[in-house]
Amino acid sequence: EVQLVQSGAEVKKPGESLKISCKGSGYSFTSYWIGWVRQMPGKGLEWMGIIYPGDSDTRYSPSFQGQVTISADKSISTAYLQWSSLKASDTAMYYCAISSGSYSLSYYYMDVWGKGTTVTVSS
Amino acid sequence: QSVLTQPPSASGTPGQRVTISCSGSSSNIGSNYVSWYQQLPGTAPKLLIYRNNQRPSGVPDRFSGSKSGTSASLAISGLRSEDEADYYCAAWDDRLSGYVFGTGTKVTVL
Repeated sequence: EVQLVQSGAEVKKPGESLKISCKGSGYSFTSYWIGWVRQMPGKGLEWMGIIYPGDSDTRYSPSFQGQVTISADKSISTAYLQWSSLKASDTAMYYCAISSGSYSLSYYYMDVWGKGTTVTVSS
Repeated sequence: QSVLTQPPSASGTPGQRVTISCSGSSSNIGSNYVSWYQQLPGTAPKLLIYRNNQRPSGVPDRFSGSKSGTSASLAISGLRSEDEADYYCAAWDDRLSGYVFGTGTKVTVL
């Protein structure tokens, strides 16, 4: 069974750093794009970016470029989303998801999702 | 602000057909495939439709997708109470070099 297991809820203060994880199993981790989606409280879905673990090709939404870092460690089949200095506005649910359809991004869709990681940033 | 526009809400009675529209542009829907996601309250999104009109295994055929030009739509026929959820369209945008979600539509079963 293809599965994505995300790390647990985090409570942080503004200015702190954070790295959350998403561990894939049941498939070839290096063969599918894996991406991150933000959902702020009561709001819609926002695509943040993706990484192809096979060659570390990484793409960011213009809205999130420079704000976060997406990485992957293929030796442990885990993708990461990282902040160097959190803001209160980073408070949200963060989902990871894979695209198993095709390497071509014209065909991109997110077909297997993790359950989400809640990040709360408050002083 | 999302580049894909959906109506904020839609509703119907059990058994009715509900249609949700998704309006985009030549750089997203006009040149790439559309997917649709269902998000039940308090849960992660679920892929409902991919490549404009394909259903993943396990998705009932009550759900169907279509695309014409720079717009797409999701139809739910035989509406059921468990269909009450938020629905999002999405597509790759060549101009932004990224994936974009629609504004989302909340479906209510009356």
